[in-house]
Amino acid sequence: DQQVKQNSPSLSVQEGRISILNCDYTNSMFDYFLWYKKYPAEGPTFLISISSIKDKNEDGRFTVFLNKSAKHLSLHIVPSQPGDSAVYFCAASFQGAQKLVFGQGTRLTINP
Amino acid sequence: DVKVTQSSRYLVKRTGEKVFLECVQDMDHENMFWYRQDPGLGLRLIYFSYDVKMKEKGDIPEGYSVSREKKERFSLILESASTNQTSMYLCASRGGTATNEKLFFGSGTQLSVL
Repeated sequence: DQQVKQNSPSLSVQEGRISILNCDYTNSMFDYFLWYKKYPAEGPTFLISISSIKDKNEDGRFTVFLNKSAKHLSLHIVPSQPGDSAVYFCAASFQGAQKLVFGQGTRLTINP
Repeated sequence: DVKVTQSSRYLVKRTGEKVFLECVQDMDHENMFWYRQDPGLGLRLIYFSYDVKMKEKGDIPEGYSVSREKKERFSLILESASTNQTSMYLCASRGGTATNEKLFFGSGTQLSVL
C-alpha cells in the first residue's frame, strides 16, 4: 500500500527552465510534507517542507505547493541548475506519528 | 557540523552469512532509523529506535534485527543474508520526537548478497 506516490521515475529539464516534481498521497491524516534530495553516493538531505495549514512554502529557488483537496504536492525549482540533478523524494507524516512515509523518488536531470 | 557515519560504503557477503551494518551519530539524537533504498520502491523503513535499548519495527522488518546499546550507535543485523537483501542501506537520526523535524542521513552502505 503505497501511501505516498511519485509517479514519474525520471524528469529531464533544460538548464534555466522550471522543474516541477509531483507527489500524491492517499492518507488524509498526513499534515506535514517534506522533500529530500539525494546525490549518488550520498545520503538524502532535507530540502524544504510544508505544513498542511499552508498551501505554499518558498525557499530561494525552491517552492513547494500543497493542494489538500487533491492530496497533491509539487516542488518547483526555478531556474533549474545542473547541480539540481539528483533524486528527489517526497515524504509525509502526521502529528503523533513516529516515522515518515517516503515516495519512490524522481530522478531529475538538468541538461546544459 | 552534524554527522551520521556508516561503517562501510560497500559490502559483499554470501547467502547465509550474518551481516552487521553499523551507524554512529555525533548529534546526541534520541531517534535513529534504518532504511533500505531500492529502485522504484523509494525509502522503506526497516527498524527505528527512540532510545537506548528501545526498538520498533518499521514497514519491512522481516529478516532483520537491530541493536542500540549506546545512544550514538545503531546497528542493523541480517541474521542470515539472502539475495533479496541486496540493497542500499541508509541510517538516519533525528533529534526530537516530532516527524516534522529533519532526518539526517548517512552516506549509505551498498550491500550485495551473492
